[in-house]
Amino acid sequence: AQSVTQLDSHVSVSEGTPVLLRCNYSSSYSPSLFWYVQHPNKGLQLLLKYTSAATLVKGINGFEAEFKKSETSFHLTKPSAHMSDAAEYFCVERDSSYKLIFGSGTRLLVRP
Amino acid sequence: DGGITQSPKYLFRKEGQNVTLSCEQNLNHDAMYWYRQDPGQGLRLIYYSQIVNDFQKGDIAEGYSVSREKKESFPLTVTSAQKNPTAFYLCASKGDPSGNTIYFGEGSWLTVV
Repeated sequence: AQSVTQLDSHVSVSEGTPVLLRCNYSSSYSPSLFWYVQHPNKGLQLLLKYTSAATLVKGINGFEAEFKKSETSFHLTKPSAHMSDAAEYFCVERDSSYKLIFGSGTRLLVRP
Repeated sequence: DGGITQSPKYLFRKEGQNVTLSCEQNLNHDAMYWYRQDPGQGLRLIYYSQIVNDFQKGDIAEGYSVSREKKESFPLTVTSAQKNPTAFYLCASKGDPSGNTIYFGEGSWLTVV
């Protein structure tokens, strides 16, 4: 069965420093991959998506992610963290039908 | 504005009661979904519907029921058979079948008291 693994349940960074949230997927074909962000008591907001076009995907709020097939990874990065980035982030894969497969989430904490 | 509206945002249920969570979308999307979120976990699919008058069980459908009588509406009923219903529930929808983007509502918090 396909699975999405987010390697860190919590990531803590200082404001102004880079952010790296790691994600590995399991499918053997070229998947559709997404990153969603969830702020407290809110629904999910799409940050960015990869659909077999450019391997470096730019999203909203300065986030980007790089698709690396050789590593089956889709890590999310941002050059400089802001306090408002503190939230839970989900890496998601769409399988061969239409279902979304969610990772378990990474909580990003941003220290002043 | 187009979007997905879930109501109520907060709901308290007594044990043994059925409750219904509303989900309405004005995006003209065919596919709609219900997910459940528990602390420290990703979302788990409860039910989904690809078209009006049709729906399928997801991974954790036991204790839940849905209907899809109208394209824009996909209500979820949490029945008394659901043993641990306290959770955050998210409704979502998707446009054309080949589309990749799923849009989510703001969510509903259900607490059993």
